[in-house]
Amino acid sequence: GEDVEQSLFLSVREGDSSVINCTYTDSSSTYLYWYKQEPGAGLQLLTYIFSNMDMKQDQRLTVLLNKKDKHLSLRIADTQTGDSAIYFCAEIHSSASKIIFGSGTRLSIRP
Amino acid sequence: GAVVSQHPSRVICKSGTSVKIECRSLDFQATTMFWYRQFPKQSLMLMATSNEGSKATYEQGVEKDKFLINHASLTLSTLTVTSAHPEDSSFYICSARASILNTEAFFGQGTRLTVV
Repeated sequence: GEDVEQSLFLSVREGDSSVINCTYTDSSSTYLYWYKQEPGAGLQLLTYIFSNMDMKQDQRLTVLLNKKDKHLSLRIADTQTGDSAIYFCAEIHSSASKIIFGSGTRLSIRP
Repeated sequence: GAVVSQHPSRVICKSGTSVKIECRSLDFQATTMFWYRQFPKQSLMLMATSNEGSKATYEQGVEKDKFLINHASLTLSTLTVTSAHPEDSSFYICSARASILNTEAFFGQGTRLTVV
């Protein structure tokens, strides 16, 4: 079946790196995404990675994919207060017909 | 990125009435639109997938007669919550993709529905 799992909370100190982890079960996933949701708002696509890639970097964001372990991570370098949000990991179903989301990780920043 | 506009952003309605939520792709044609529901502090639950010009495909457990979805054009999909009840209160979010080959899904800002 389809399942995407994330830890619910992460707290980091401002300026440190944040690492948000995600595991998925569908081995035929073709694309994996990271979305950011600020309070009361919709979702903002942060980045995505093809399943045949190991890593993707985009400014402060680094995505690592371990396809063997079905593990995806998002690293945010130099975390700022504006990074406080819920981060959703998502995969596109193998039939490309729908996107399945994880539970979301609430990232909080402490001074 | 492309823009998806969802309207209204907030709505309060009385029990028993129906509410329509619109989702528009403003600068691209969306062959596929998705409707999600989000309960407080929970993830998004896919309700249905709609392709332009055809009937929506509902996920298991979602009542199609309760949540009517219309995708009449390539830029507009609507979700109508019929005979709303307080348990239908939730955050509803739509998403649109340009084509089945397109990797990105663009999201609306969501609609906070409160049924009193």
